[in-house]
Amino acid sequence: EAGVAQSPRYKIIEKRQSVAFWCNPISGHATLYWYQQILGQGPKLLIQFQNNGVVDDSQLPKDRFSAERLKGVDSTLKIQPAKLEDSAVYLCASSFRVGNTIYFGEGSWLTVV
Amino acid sequence: AQSVTQLGSHVSVSEGALVLLRCNYSSSVPPYLFWYVQYPNQGLQLLLKYTSAATLVKGINGFEAEFKKSETSFHLTKPSAHMSDAAEYFCAVSEGTGANNLFFGTGTRLTVIP
Repeated sequence: EAGVAQSPRYKIIEKRQSVAFWCNPISGHATLYWYQQILGQGPKLLIQFQNNGVVDDSQLPKDRFSAERLKGVDSTLKIQPAKLEDSAVYLCASSFRVGNTIYFGEGSWLTVV
Repeated sequence: AQSVTQLGSHVSVSEGALVLLRCNYSSSVPPYLFWYVQYPNQGLQLLLKYTSAATLVKGINGFEAEFKKSETSFHLTKPSAHMSDAAEYFCAVSEGTGANNLFFGTGTRLTVIP
């Protein structure tokens, strides 16, 4: 069974530029998550989708971050404009439904210079 | 509110020695508890989870953890460390069914000395 796929794996951008990350969850998983992991810290939830609806985006900095899951399958996370403090690993994860085990992708590593 | 505290950001053990990684949680409802492992440049892999069944939970790669409600702890152990166990380990808590957003600790980096 294929795992959670993410791209790109690595990205370096200058501050104030924009970046987008893509995620394809495990087939059949209705719940999709984006986590931000800053170096030396544990992952922090940015946004949670159930199918194509947002369940929780309370920790998403909405002035610069946006995410969508239009067809209830793959998802895109966008940052515009990027700040130095956005340098982190962005982890996508999915679960069959709320309450089931969450499976993580390998992450997209962002460096803002 | 839920939170997790992992005592010790770095732990070093000799190969073959006992591994003990500490995790204490805070939760206003009966928690679900998890241990994830992260190898360099990789995502998080589930080691084991506690979901209100048996208090001693066995996971992959010989790891196990015991839920102790009186101590609000969920420490991770392995009887004999292997070089391949060197990684970052994260403890996480959720409210369980109906709301499974994971709240992670800051992680413990395990070094295994040959």
